[in-house]
Amino acid sequence: DGGITQSPKYLFRKEGQNVTLSCEQNLNHDAMYWYRQDPGQGLRLIYYSQIVNDFQKGDIAEGYSVSREKKESFPLTVTSAQKNPTAFYLCASKEGGVNEQFFGPGTRLTVL
Amino acid sequence: GENVEQHPSTLSVQEGDSAVIKCTYSDSASNYFPWYKQELGKRPQLIIDIRSNVGEKKDQRIAVTLNKTAKHFSLHITETQPEDSAVYFCAASMQGSSNTGKLIFGQGTTLQVKP
Repeated sequence: DGGITQSPKYLFRKEGQNVTLSCEQNLNHDAMYWYRQDPGQGLRLIYYSQIVNDFQKGDIAEGYSVSREKKESFPLTVTSAQKNPTAFYLCASKEGGVNEQFFGPGTRLTVL
Repeated sequence: GENVEQHPSTLSVQEGDSAVIKCTYSDSASNYFPWYKQELGKRPQLIIDIRSNVGEKKDQRIAVTLNKTAKHFSLHITETQPEDSAVYFCAASMQGSSNTGKLIFGQGTTLQVKP
């Protein structure tokens, strides 16, 4: 299970606040991904990055922002513009030329 | 863009029976089809995958079949055990040097294996 970590495990936020979710990997993977998971739904892609200092929007990027200043780190900020942020957030990484994505343990965000 | 449909949403079987979960995809350019197992509150973990140049792949009690013409693929679990109870997700992706490797997931199937 090691190699890709997320923190915190649980996060509570008041409405109107921005929060940042951490994702770190020591697998030397080039590509990193952020997914959102809601009950009864599959994982939906928020943002992804194939290389340092570059990232692209996924299917549900509105209200989120990311940065990729280091290869091993891909933090996700949930802004106050995200209308329904309560969800389970999963980060994943992948080595170039290899198919499999490895997932982190997730962060459960609850808006109070 | 790619769309993946997964059925059924819930599946209950008796221990020892077989379970089959089916997915269809829309983009004929997809060439990689993984299946993930997710236990409650845990991260998804890859259990088996298949590339488009292969029609079937087997790993002990788990097998995946792919029909490129019909654009559907299925997960087969034989001799089910209570520890197989989990949510299973299929996904589709275009893999290659010029592709992003993005995974498009199905909605998930909650499998319950009754002892």
